[in-house]
Amino acid sequence: GQQLNQSPQSMFIQEGEDVSMNCTSSSIFNTWLWYKQDPGEGPVLLIALYKAGELTSNGRLTAQFGITRKDSFLNISASIPSDVGIYFCAGQGGSQGNLIFGKGTKLSVKP
Amino acid sequence: SAVISQKPSRDICQRGTSLTIQCQVDSQVTMMFWYRQQPGQSLTLIATANQGSEATYESGFVIDKFPISRPNLTFSTLTVSNMSPEDSSIYLCSAEFRGRGNTIYFGEGSWLTVV
Repeated sequence: GQQLNQSPQSMFIQEGEDVSMNCTSSSIFNTWLWYKQDPGEGPVLLIALYKAGELTSNGRLTAQFGITRKDSFLNISASIPSDVGIYFCAGQGGSQGNLIFGKGTKLSVKP
Repeated sequence: SAVISQKPSRDICQRGTSLTIQCQVDSQVTMMFWYRQQPGQSLTLIATANQGSEATYESGFVIDKFPISRPNLTFSTLTVSNMSPEDSSIYLCSAEFRGRGNTIYFGEGSWLTVV
């Protein structure tokens, strides 16, 4: 079945540093989404990507959909303590339109 | 963004009992999905629930264990039947919204602990 490889698994950075995480897949996806999940909460949508090569920003967050439709990255600039959480990439392309999730990147920010 | 409300948000359940989780969306949607997230893990799709048809279950999930209802375009329920400790998870409802592109939003999740 379709799988997403997300890396890194975890990151421990200093406040103010930039962060980069990525996802790759052997399958093509029509849509690529990035979510953030805080403990005990549901995932919150950060950025949605619809076109191959698309680069989209949301505040300090920037994400790009790879040209081949098989990969994406998420960058966070000038990290702050509230960026702490687990970030998930998700590709949409199943027959039912459901999402396939990566395993997540756990971000820790040291003040 | 969309508002998706789930009830209960948390519950502690006795082994062998069943619990129904409700999901309410603030606008009409065609496609709703139910996911399970076991502690420290990623999200796994249980089933897709479209209004007016039977839910479509993923491999490893069966209707007898996870019956789903979808009575209208804004509401769905997931029942976790005959629970065991292995069913302790967060259960998440999500819905697809169609606009410039299709976007999927999630509810806050229902955290079930089976004792």
